[in-house]
Amino acid sequence: GQQVMQIPQYQHVQEGEDFTTYCNSSTTLSNIQWYKQRPGGHPVFLIQLVKSGEVKKQKRLTFQFGEAKKNSSLHITATQTTDVGTYFCAGRPSGTYKYIFGTGTRLKVLA
Amino acid sequence: SQTIHQWPATLVQPVGSPLSLECTVEGTSNPNLYWYRQAAGRGLQLLFYSVGIGQISSEVPQNLSASRPQDRQFILSSKKLLLSDSGFYLCAWRTEQDTGELFFGEGSRLTVL
Repeated sequence: GQQVMQIPQYQHVQEGEDFTTYCNSSTTLSNIQWYKQRPGGHPVFLIQLVKSGEVKKQKRLTFQFGEAKKNSSLHITATQTTDVGTYFCAGRPSGTYKYIFGTGTRLKVLA
Repeated sequence: SQTIHQWPATLVQPVGSPLSLECTVEGTSNPNLYWYRQAAGRGLQLLFYSVGIGQISSEVPQNLSASRPQDRQFILSSKKLLLSDSGFYLCAWRTEQDTGELFFGEGSRLTVL
């Protein structure tokens, strides 16, 4: 079946260090979305990427969609304690309405 | 504005008992609806999704079922719960407009004993 893997599973960083999580799909995607989930909460939408090779920025966050539309990355510059949480990518396989979530990367930021 | 309601928020059920989780969306029409399950410390597993009334797509074979009796109502059910059904169940909706983001409910935490 269709799978979306994310690495790393966990990441501990010192406040101010950078952080990157990578997402890889077994199938080509129509688009990919990124979500953040705080402990005990539900996922909250961050951004959607649609075009091959697309790059989007939100303040300290940079999102990239691969040329083959099968992988994506999220990079956070100079992490802050408020960045703590689990980051998920969610891919929509071409020709479907479903969103397959990645395995998630749990980020801890040490002050 | 659009809102999503999901209930109950928490429930503890014995093995073999039935289950019904309900999700309703307000302020939008013909949404795509989704049920996900999240085991403790894990990712979100897509269980069912629906693009219209009475249209249900199942992603994993198991003892759960879903129904969409009305446009903005999505129900997750089981006739007999298993221990492995424990988890955090999340309902979500989206439309094809704008970013098409998934909007999640607050979730239902199920413990099967």
